[in-house]
Amino acid sequence: QLQLQESGSGLVTPSQTLSLTCAVSGGSISSGGSSWSWIRQPPGEGLEWIGYIYHSGSTYYNPSLNSRVSISVDKSKNQFSLKLRSVTAADTAVYYCARAREQAYFDYWGRGSLVTVSS
Amino acid sequence: DIQMTQSPSTLSASVGDRVTITCRASQSISSWLAWYQQKPGKAPNLLIYKASSLESGVPSRFSGSGSGTDFTLTINSLQPDDYATYYCQQYNSYWTFGQGTKVEIK
Repeated sequence: QLQLQESGSGLVTPSQTLSLTCAVSGGSISSGGSSWSWIRQPPGEGLEWIGYIYHSGSTYYNPSLNSRVSISVDKSKNQFSLKLRSVTAADTAVYYCARAREQAYFDYWGRGSLVTVSS
Repeated sequence: DIQMTQSPSTLSASVGDRVTITCRASQSISSWLAWYQQKPGKAPNLLIYKASSLESGVPSRFSGSGSGTDFTLTINSLQPDDYATYYCQQYNSYWTFGQGTKVEIK
C-alpha cells in the first residue's frame, strides 16, 4: 500500500520561502506512469493544483503560481519537495502531496500539512 | 485553462435519498473527469475516474456519467457516511478542480 507523508515548517514569515517534503513509502517514486503533485486547500475553500514532477525530473506548474514555485525529486530518498517563494497570507493552506495514476487522477494522498503564513 | 463549475454548492438530503451533483467544464474534456469525496480534516478520496469508472473499494451506490462538458455524480440511497464535500476534477489539460458541493443532513 502506497503511503505519502508531508513534512516541513508549519509557520512561515511573509516574503520568505515555504518548504515541504513528501516522503513516499510502499512503492517507488520512479514507477512508470505515475507523476507526483502538490495540491493545496486554503481554510474553508476548495482545492488548487500547484504543480507536478515526474521521476525523470520534468515538471509543470500552475501558471498562476509558476513564477514562485519549484518542485524537485530525490530518487535516492524516494521523496519530492516543494518550494514556494515570496509567500503572503494568501498562501496559508493545507498542502497535500499526491500521486497521479497514469498522470491522470489522484489515487493516493498524504494526510496534509497546514502551513500558516504570519509574522 | 479549463474551468470546472459544480452545482449546487450545498445540498441538503436525508438518509436513503438519491443525490445528484453536476459538474460542467468550460470546454470539452472528453471523459477525463474524476470525482472525490472529502471529509473534514481529511484528504480527498478518489471515487470515480474516467467519468464513470468506479475506483476499487468504493461502494456501488456511487456512480458517474457524462462526457464532453457535462458530468454527473449520483449517490443512490444516501448513507450517513456520505455526508461530505464532493469535488470534480478534470485531467484533460493538466488538473483543475470544481469548487465543491457540500452534502448536508436535511
